[in-house]
Amino acid sequence: QKEVEQNSGPLSVPEGAIASLNCTYSDRGSQSFFWYRQYSGKSPELIMSIYSNGDKEDGRFTAQLNKASQYVSLLIRDSQPSDSATYLCAVRVGETSGSRLTFGEGTQLTVNP
Amino acid sequence: DVKVTQSSRYLVKRTGEKVFLECVQDMDHENMFWYRQDPGLGLRLIYFSYDVKMKEKGDIPEGYSVSREKKERFSLILESASTNQTSMYLCASSPPPGSVAYNEQFFGPGTRLTVL
Repeated sequence: QKEVEQNSGPLSVPEGAIASLNCTYSDRGSQSFFWYRQYSGKSPELIMSIYSNGDKEDGRFTAQLNKASQYVSLLIRDSQPSDSATYLCAVRVGETSGSRLTFGEGTQLTVNP
Repeated sequence: DVKVTQSSRYLVKRTGEKVFLECVQDMDHENMFWYRQDPGLGLRLIYFSYDVKMKEKGDIPEGYSVSREKKERFSLILESASTNQTSMYLCASSPPPGSVAYNEQFFGPGTRLTVL
């Protein structure tokens, strides 16, 4: 089993719709969860972080975490063509200097005008 | 703004050559990372360092080595390049635990390496 798995995609939604991106992780000791966005030909950039169960909202983005189910998701409301990118889920176990992120493979999202 | 720079955007090398990929960050970050990114495999950690002269193996260290002689610079070395090392290489840095921005890794622009 992969440490971090994302829905395979690609995902295509019409402009204005809600895009739902899902991620599961295998290590129950995971403490910190992140969503990165990567435009084609560019580097990843952090868009959301979440540490406790429940929802966290930032503008049109909502991250949801359920540690019991080992599941984290990202909802994008009112999707825009500019949201078209690959979204990477990342998980960190521990908070020491030696801890590191493990990334999923990414889900490619296309928002059609 | 944090700036992470990588020495080359594109690099073409021949099998067996020794290859150096350089990464420099200007925010005094303790932690630095080298990843490679391949279609269908995502971002995979090669090596990371949380202090000068310290290094830790990531998930795929075979065929690579690293050097961190100064805090701002983290080098990835391919001792004898092979075709299966053709990939996009991404460097990242982050501040230490307890810092406000600890949770974010700041990525460089990437180096697309082709080994012929």
